[in-house]
Amino acid sequence: QVQLVESGGGLVKPGGSLRLSCAASGFTFSDSYMSWIRQAPGKGLEWVSYISHSGRTILYTDSVKGRFTISRDSAKNSLFLQMNSLRAEDTATYYCARMVEDTVVAGLFYFDYWGRGTLVTVSS
Amino acid sequence: EIVMTQSPATLSVSPGERATLSCRASQSVSSNLAWYQQKPGQAPRLLIYGASTRATGIPARFSGSGSGTEFTLTISSLQSEDFAVYYCQQYHNWPPYTFGQGTKLEIK
Repeated sequence: QVQLVESGGGLVKPGGSLRLSCAASGFTFSDSYMSWIRQAPGKGLEWVSYISHSGRTILYTDSVKGRFTISRDSAKNSLFLQMNSLRAEDTATYYCARMVEDTVVAGLFYFDYWGRGTLVTVSS
Repeated sequence: EIVMTQSPATLSVSPGERATLSCRASQSVSSNLAWYQQKPGQAPRLLIYGASTRATGIPARFSGSGSGTEFTLTISSLQSEDFAVYYCQQYHNWPPYTFGQGTKLEIK
């Protein structure tokens, strides 16, 4: 079955860095589009970043552009999020999610499987 | 950016009754809308995509409807395991993908 397991979260000071990982299994990772989505404590869901199956197309939400970098290693079935210049407002549980293409409209994707998340706390 | 607005913020319903949750988009998203269920301490689970298609393994008591800017998630006969937070999400116009703020379904 599809499994996504995030790791790498923790407590970091403002301005610091963290690298999140997501280990994927149970599906063909190299064919899959992936995203990172976060949820601040007690808040709703916020999409953070997307990477195409090939890694050639990468997108970010505006608030993390220039600070976060998404990447993947299909040989290791892994997704990554390098987070630099962290701010208090980046405090959240970070989920990796597999994306699946809508069967009716090509080029549109939704999130069909999510990991359990890893908590990132930015505080001095 | 398309803004998704869910109502109500909290819905109190008795087990066995019907629950109706609403989601409105700030502009048309056609039928490119998904619903997710999230229980405390767990990852979100996909319930509905394409506004009305149930995801694999989702019970028939869950149904989605709507198109354009107005959408509804209906749970026909609430079971104890259905009390959770529900999010709608548009995938019509991205980036960014945007979610509603959630509706908490609680036991009355």
